[in-house]
Amino acid sequence: YELTQPLSLSVALGQTATITCGGSNVGIKNVHWYQQKPGQAPILVIYRSTNRPSGIPERFSGSNSGNTATLTISRAQAEDEADYYCQVWDSGTVVVFGGGTKVTVL
Amino acid sequence: QVQLVESGGDLVKPGGSLRLSCAASAFTFGDYYMSWIRQAPGKGLEWISYISNRGRTMDYADSVKGRFTISRDNARNSLYLQMDSLRADDTAVYYCAREAPGGGTIFDYWGQGTLVTVSS
Repeated sequence: YELTQPLSLSVALGQTATITCGGSNVGIKNVHWYQQKPGQAPILVIYRSTNRPSGIPERFSGSNSGNTATLTISRAQAEDEADYYCQVWDSGTVVVFGGGTKVTVL
Repeated sequence: QVQLVESGGDLVKPGGSLRLSCAASAFTFGDYYMSWIRQAPGKGLEWISYISNRGRTMDYADSVKGRFTISRDNARNSLYLQMDSLRADDTAVYYCAREAPGGGTIFDYWGQGTLVTVSS
């Protein structure tokens, strides 16, 4: 099973960033999203497609339907500049990560 | 607060072996599935192995199957990764990660990582 993410995207400060994660029928899977800043370990920002862990700002949200899961960062802040990875569990390959998307806040 | 601290990373020659450790604290280690996930320099995340809470079930990515062995000692709150027949493409930062309860393979806590470099 494979997950496809755009390599990079840019967003203006205060605007909305939409990060996609494509996979065959990914809409029937639970998708999790991680944020990783340079030199740091990843942190969980969305789990089971739409849920935010405690401590994650409300501007992070997720959706999942059909062949695309989406992480949305509303009112993007400078500190949101990071790499973002989607992840699912698949019976064939167990744990699968997308290739990651580098988000730049302009 | 939950802490995971990896250790054991080093420079090793191709064909060599290394054992990584992950020390857990501030949670009931024996209640949780654990995984190892790695990240090659400048690359993305790659899951490589998991082990069930009591150590009875484990699985591996094809890239390490037959060369790496995951284990745990719940009495010592520790997770291990024995790495044999190391290759240059095993060079990476290795993270241990806790799986959140309730299924779905959600990694809710990660260690800071330990660097393994395989080079002659």
